[in-house]
Amino acid sequence: NAGVTQTPKFQVLKTGQSMTLQCAQDMNHEYMSWYRQDPGMGLRLIHYSVGAGITDQGEVPNGYNVSRSTTEDFPLRLLSAAPSQTSVYFCASRRTGGFEQYFGPGTRLTVT
Amino acid sequence: AQTVTQSQPEMSVQEAETVTLSCTYDTSESDYYLFWYKQPPSRQMILVIRQEAYKQQNATENRFSVNFQKAAKSFSLKISDSQLGDAAMYFCAPFSGNTPLVFGKGTRLSVIA
Repeated sequence: NAGVTQTPKFQVLKTGQSMTLQCAQDMNHEYMSWYRQDPGMGLRLIHYSVGAGITDQGEVPNGYNVSRSTTEDFPLRLLSAAPSQTSVYFCASRRTGGFEQYFGPGTRLTVT
Repeated sequence: AQTVTQSQPEMSVQEAETVTLSCTYDTSESDYYLFWYKQPPSRQMILVIRQEAYKQQNATENRFSVNFQKAAKSFSLKISDSQLGDAAMYFCAPFSGNTPLVFGKGTRLSVIA
C-alpha cells in the first residue's frame, strides 16, 4: 500500500494562477479531507468528503474547490491563487467508522 | 462543533526529564476519541496516543501517557524520559465519527541535551 500520496511536494504560483493539488489513497477509505497548515495556526479543515460524489465545506473553504468522482482521488483546486493561500496542504483519509486518520506528506505551496 | 485550546505555544524540557503538554476541548458529542499527534520537522503527522472518552483509565503508550479529565474536558500529554527525537510540534485533536478531525494550534516542544 502506498497509503496517502500527494503531488506535487512543492509548488510556486503567481497571483491569479490556478492549479490542482492531487491526493490519492489506495486503502479504499470513504472519508477524505484537506487541511492547510499555517505557522501558529495548526491544521485547519478546508473541505472534506464522506464518499464518492459527496463533499462538504470545512472551516476555511473560500478560494478552493473540490470534487470526488472516485473513492481513490480527492483533488483540491485553487481557482485564482492569492498570497494568503501560501501554506502547507495536507490530505488525509480514514475508513468510515474508523478513528485513525492517514495523512499524506504534504504540499508546500508558495504564491507570489 | 468541536473546539480545542492548547495554551502553551512553546515548551522545553531537558533530556531524560518529564514534560506535560496541556489541552482543553469542547464537544457536544457524547461518544468521542481524543488524540495527540506529533509533527516532527519532516512534517509527517504521527499519531502518538489516543483515548476513548468512555474509558476512565488513562491511555499509555511506552513513555507517553495522558491525563484525561472528562468533566473538565481536559486532555494533557505527559512525556517521560524525554529524548531528542521527541522534539516536534504536538497537536491535540478531539474526534467523533460524525465530524471531521479538529486540531488545536499546537505546542512546539524543544528537547535540550
